[in-house]
Parts: sequence; C-alpha cells; structure tokens
Amino acid sequence: GGIITQTPKFLIGQEGQKLTLKCQQNFNHDTMYWYRQDSGKGLRLIYYSITENDLQKGDLSEGYDASREKKSSFSLTVTSAQKNEMAVFLCASSRTGGTEVFFGKGTRLTVV
Amino acid sequence: QQKVQQSPESLSVPEGGMASLNCTSSDRNFQYFWWYRQHSGEGPKALMSIFSDGDKKEGRFTAHLNKASLHVSLHIRDSQPSDSALYFCAASEPQGGYKLTFGTGTSLLVDP
Repeated sequence: GGIITQTPKFLIGQEGQKLTLKCQQNFNHDTMYWYRQDSGKGLRLIYYSITENDLQKGDLSEGYDASREKKSSFSLTVTSAQKNEMAVFLCASSRTGGTEVFFGKGTRLTVV
Repeated sequence: QQKVQQSPESLSVPEGGMASLNCTSSDRNFQYFWWYRQHSGEGPKALMSIFSDGDKKEGRFTAHLNKASLHVSLHIRDSQPSDSALYFCAASEPQGGYKLTFGTGTSLLVDP
C-alpha cells in the first residue's frame, strides 16, 4: 500500500495572499491531481499531471498555479486568496489508464 | 452544467435496510464509472468501478450501469451505521488521461 500526505492540514490566509499547498505520494504513481471540494458541489478538478514535468488544466484552474516538482510531489498555489476560496483541497494520485484514484485527507483553507 | 448528477442529495435508511443511490451523466464520452465513499475528515475512497452494462456485485454493494441512458446506480443492502458517509459517483473517458469528473454527492445516514 501507499499513502498520500498533504501539508498543511489547516491553512489560514489573508485575502490577497499567495498560498501554497503541498502533496507527497509514495505509491510511485505517474498521475497526480488537485481537486477542490465545496459543500454541496462535489469535487472539481483544478490541475492534474500525467507524468513528471507535465501539467494539465482542469475545469477550475483560474486563480491557481501548480507544479510537479518530481514524480512523488505535486504542489498547488492559490495566487491571490479570496474569501470564497474557503474549501477543502484534495490531492490524489493514480497509475495511468483509468485505474483507481487514491486521495489524501485534504487541506482545509480558510481566508480571513 | 454539471456533467454528472446525483440523486437524492441526502438519504436516511434504518440499520439493515436497503439504500439506493442514483447517478446520471450528460456526456456520452464517459465510458468508465466509479463509486467513491467519503467519511467525515477523510479523503474519498473507491468503493467499486463499473465499466460494462449490467450489474456488478461486491459484498453488500451492487452497482448497475445502463450505458444507453448513461445511468448508474449503487445499492447497499443490510446497511450498517458505518456506511453513513458521502457517496460520490465519478465518470471518466480515455481522452484527457482518464481524469475523474465527480457528481455532487449523496449524504447517507444509517440510523441504528
């Protein structure tokens, strides 16, 4: 088995601040994802990366940047935090080819 | 427009009862369907996948797929209090690296 570790677990930022969320996986998976979870809206894809050095935009990429530093790590930056950003950000990984996606426990973002 | 829609939003069943969750897609490119379950404070975890028309049974859980109508359902028999959680339907297509598109979720409460 493996694990996905997200840091920090809780993040409080000020409006307009640039904030970075980090994710590490030890599954040796090629593909990694960032999803945002808002109450009542399910999970929406922000960015994903099919392999190291690859970066693909999801449906919700505006206002975010992402970086796949190496195969095991994928970070997400909120470029200018807004009060409606408050949500849980979930990192995930999978092998290529439509296999099961494994999720971390999330980073809960609060913007004050 | 939400490409994957779930109903009901919330559901309450007695312990030992049957829970039925529904999911419909509006995108005929989706070929692969998953059910994920999320307990409070955790990331979603895959329950089961279904890729072919018909039923697929895993223990107390049965998924049904009708590709013609793009309808997927999940039935949980002999529901247990530990089944209380958020349930998400997710769909993917080969294009775009099989990334998952999630529905808005069904909140299931099993009353002991």
